[in-house]
Amino acid sequence: DTGVSQNPRHKITKRGQNVTFRCDPISEHNRLYWYRQTLGQGPEFLTYFQNEAQLEKSRLLSDRFSAERPKGSFSTLEIQRTEQGDSAMYLCASSLGDIGQQPQHFGDGTRLSIL
Amino acid sequence: AQTVTQSQPEMSVQEAETVTLSCTYDTSENNYYLFWYKQPPSRQMILVIRQEAYKQQNATENRFSVNFQKAAKSFSLKISDSQLGDTAMYFCAFTLSAGSGYALNFGKGTSLLVTP
Repeated sequence: DTGVSQNPRHKITKRGQNVTFRCDPISEHNRLYWYRQTLGQGPEFLTYFQNEAQLEKSRLLSDRFSAERPKGSFSTLEIQRTEQGDSAMYLCASSLGDIGQQPQHFGDGTRLSIL
Repeated sequence: AQTVTQSQPEMSVQEAETVTLSCTYDTSENNYYLFWYKQPPSRQMILVIRQEAYKQQNATENRFSVNFQKAAKSFSLKISDSQLGDTAMYFCAFTLSAGSGYALNFGKGTSLLVTP
């Protein structure tokens, strides 16, 4: 169990640029989640995948955001035309099946700063 | 919609003492799970303890225990024999048992400082 891996750890970009984050879940975990955490707040749910299918998206996920999980393995989260309000920590978590048996395991996150 | 409220933004406790962190939640559902997560300064979220709503017995994990009051929709975390390594943000979280993909709803967190 190598844990959930997220890359990059930090991303600084200018407003209007596109950014892409990657998450590698724990192997054999079929569920993958993206959360956003702003300073002084708890994480907020963005979207989740079961295998390669994106099953739920939060209203926080505007049309500038897109997430993929090809082949049900790693996932990418892309933000197009970044805005100041996108500055946050983006957390990825993975789990196996029923949360009653397996909790969500979180990565270290990607901190996005918009200049 | 389910909401989670943590009314204590910051708390402090001396090493070896006991501290209780409060959490209340709001839901009309009957089956759900509650969690306490710890987020140390390194920022990785770590599960501390989990409670199934259908279980009346309070969950315990070593020095960590919960007081789950379903009727009051209260879920507090007690940390006994506090250690310096317990210093972290603590988040209370909620998820439904079905129908939501188990996405977690988090409170705003309580910053706990353990002092020597």
